[in-house]
Amino acid sequence: EPEVTQTPSHQVTQMGQEVILRCVPISNHLYFYWYRQILGQKVEFLVSFYNNEISEKSEIFDDQFSVERPDGSNFTLKIRSTKLEDSAMYFCASSTGTGGQPQHFGDGTRLSIL
Amino acid sequence: QKEVEQNSGPLSVPEGAIASLNCTYSDRGSQSFFWYRQYSGKSPELIMFIYSNGDKEDGRFTAQLNKASQYVSLLIRDSQPSDSATYLCAVNNNNDMRFGAGTRLTVKP
Repeated sequence: EPEVTQTPSHQVTQMGQEVILRCVPISNHLYFYWYRQILGQKVEFLVSFYNNEISEKSEIFDDQFSVERPDGSNFTLKIRSTKLEDSAMYFCASSTGTGGQPQHFGDGTRLSIL
Repeated sequence: QKEVEQNSGPLSVPEGAIASLNCTYSDRGSQSFFWYRQYSGKSPELIMFIYSNGDKEDGRFTAQLNKASQYVSLLIRDSQPSDSATYLCAVNNNNDMRFGAGTRLTVKP
């Protein structure tokens, strides 16, 4: 069964540094998403992306964050000037269409800011 | 504010029983509704989705939606110990999907 693939599985970074989290969505999916889950808390929506532009973003997704589809397969989340509170699991998801088509999640990247 | 509320549990049921999980949401414009299962340290796994009022059954799982009451539920029949996990309710409006905090279910052998 096709899967969403995320790399790395664990990223450790010094506070203030920039990180790029990578995702390969399911190949025939057109909509891509990033979520984060702070340990012990709920899954939080960050951003959705379609046709090379942001479709929706949450109040969490401020200027510190950016997303990009640099080629035909990868979808990235960049976090600039990382803070301790950015430590979380970051999940990428993809879906075939809009209007609430089911989203399939990758295994996540655990980001640890020191 | 788009809120999704779930009873955090834990909900404990004996093996073979029916587990009932509930969720309410605040955004009346929500169009689609999902139940995900999340094992500790793992990613959310899609269990069910429902778009229209009423019931939708898939194997041992039944999702129920009442848009007027802004209420979604999940029934798990013949619960198994392997069903022990956190169940996340998610509500979507135009590619903005919001999750509840989840209900932790324990199925005791």
